[in-house]
Amino acid sequence: EAGVAQSPRYKIIEKRQSVAFWCNPISGHATLYWYQQILGQGPKLLIQFQNNGVVDDSQLPKDRFSAERLKGVDSTLKIQPAKLEDSAVYLCASSWDRRAHGELFFGEGSRLTVL
Amino acid sequence: GENVEQHPSTLSVQEGDSAVIKCTYSDSASNYFPWYKQELGKRPQLIIDIRSNVGEKKDQRIAVTLNKTAKHFSLHITETQPEDSAVYFCAASPVKAIFGAGTRLFVKA
Repeated sequence: EAGVAQSPRYKIIEKRQSVAFWCNPISGHATLYWYQQILGQGPKLLIQFQNNGVVDDSQLPKDRFSAERLKGVDSTLKIQPAKLEDSAVYLCASSWDRRAHGELFFGEGSRLTVL
Repeated sequence: GENVEQHPSTLSVQEGDSAVIKCTYSDSASNYFPWYKQELGKRPQLIIDIRSNVGEKKDQRIAVTLNKTAKHFSLHITETQPEDSAVYFCAASPVKAIFGAGTRLFVKA
């Protein structure tokens, strides 16, 4: 079974530039999550999708972050404009359970460095 | 919303000793409690989980206990080995998975 795919693996940008991350979940997984993991901290949930609808985006800084999940499969997370404090690993995860009551399968992550 | 606190932040043990990591949660609606292991530069991976209708679960050298009244749960690793060295995260899920800050475990050979 193919795992969660993410790209790019690494991205370096200047502050105020924009960046986009892509995620392809495990086939059949209805729920998709984007987490932000700052070095030395636990993953922080940014947004949770159930199919192509948003379940929770209470921690998403909506003035600069946006995310979409077209057709309930792939998802894109965008940051515009980026700030220094956005430097982190962005982890995408998927699960079969719509209420996060089952295993989350994580991708390798996209490491963002903002200079 | 849910808040998960995890202790200790760093734990160093001798190979063969036991390690215990504790988490507390705030939302009484949480009913699923997974533990993830993250090796350096790798993705988090589930190692064990427990649901609210169970007080304890064991899988070989690892076990998790849950006290719903006190709102805390713990990870126990026995006979630790160098390959157990990693960061361990607990999480609690009412509807969304909220992670603790992590415990960096060092197992000294």
